[in-house]
Amino acid sequence: GNSVTQMEGPVTLSEEAFLTINCTYTATGYPSLFWYVQYPGEGLQLLLKATKADDKGSNKGFEATYRKETTSFHLEKGSVQVSDSAVYFCALYSGNTGKLIFGQGTTLQVKP
Amino acid sequence: GAGVSQSPRYKVAKRGQDVALRCDPISGHVSLFWYQQALGQGPEFLTYFQNEAQLDKSGLPSDRFFAERPEGSVSTLKIQRTQQEDSAVYLCASSLGYGGMNNEQFFGPGTRLTVL
Repeated sequence: GNSVTQMEGPVTLSEEAFLTINCTYTATGYPSLFWYVQYPGEGLQLLLKATKADDKGSNKGFEATYRKETTSFHLEKGSVQVSDSAVYFCALYSGNTGKLIFGQGTTLQVKP
Repeated sequence: GAGVSQSPRYKVAKRGQDVALRCDPISGHVSLFWYQQALGQGPEFLTYFQNEAQLDKSGLPSDRFFAERPEGSVSTLKIQRTQQEDSAVYLCASSLGYGGMNNEQFFGPGTRLTVL
C-alpha cells in the first residue's frame, strides 16, 4: 500500500542555518505530494504541494521538488528562523476520495 | 473567517465509557475527513464523508468507532466502550470539493482524548 517515510527527528538548528528534511514515498502511480506544518498549539496547515513529477512547491521560503526517479519530496529552506520551529509532516493523496497518507512527522527546533 | 472547529478540545474518559467528538467544518465544504493521531506519529485516516454520505470508512479501527454527518455539515465521531489504545488526538478536516487532488484540506485543532 501507499506509505510515506520521513527522517527521524528532532532536528535542532541554529538560526539562519540550512534545513533539509528528507521524505520518501511508496505509491502506485504518481500521487500529489504535500508538506504540512503543525506549529505549537495550532492545527495542521498546508505548507506546500506538488501535483506532478518535477514540480517544485514553494511557500514562506520553503521548497520541495517532486522527484519520481528517487520517489522523494525533500523539504528545504535556505535560512531558518526561530519561528519555523514546528512539526513538519510529509503526505500524499491516496485513492479517489483524496484521503491523505502522512509520514510520522519531524520536529524542528531552531535556536537563536 | 471561521475555520474548522472541534469540540471538546480535551476529553478524559474512563475505560469503557462512550465518547462523542464533534466537528464543525467550514461552511459550504462538501468533503469531511476524520484522522487519528497517536502521540509522536502522523495522522492516520479514519473515514470520509461527501455531504451526508460516508463513502470511505476503511480506516476505522474497530466496530466501536462510528461516524455520522446526517445533514451534510456537522459531523460526530463516536467511540463506544473506550479502550486505552484509543487515546490520541482526533483531527477533522474539510475541503470545498469532492475529494480529489485539487481540494486542499483544512484541519481543525483536534480533540485530545485520554482514556484512563
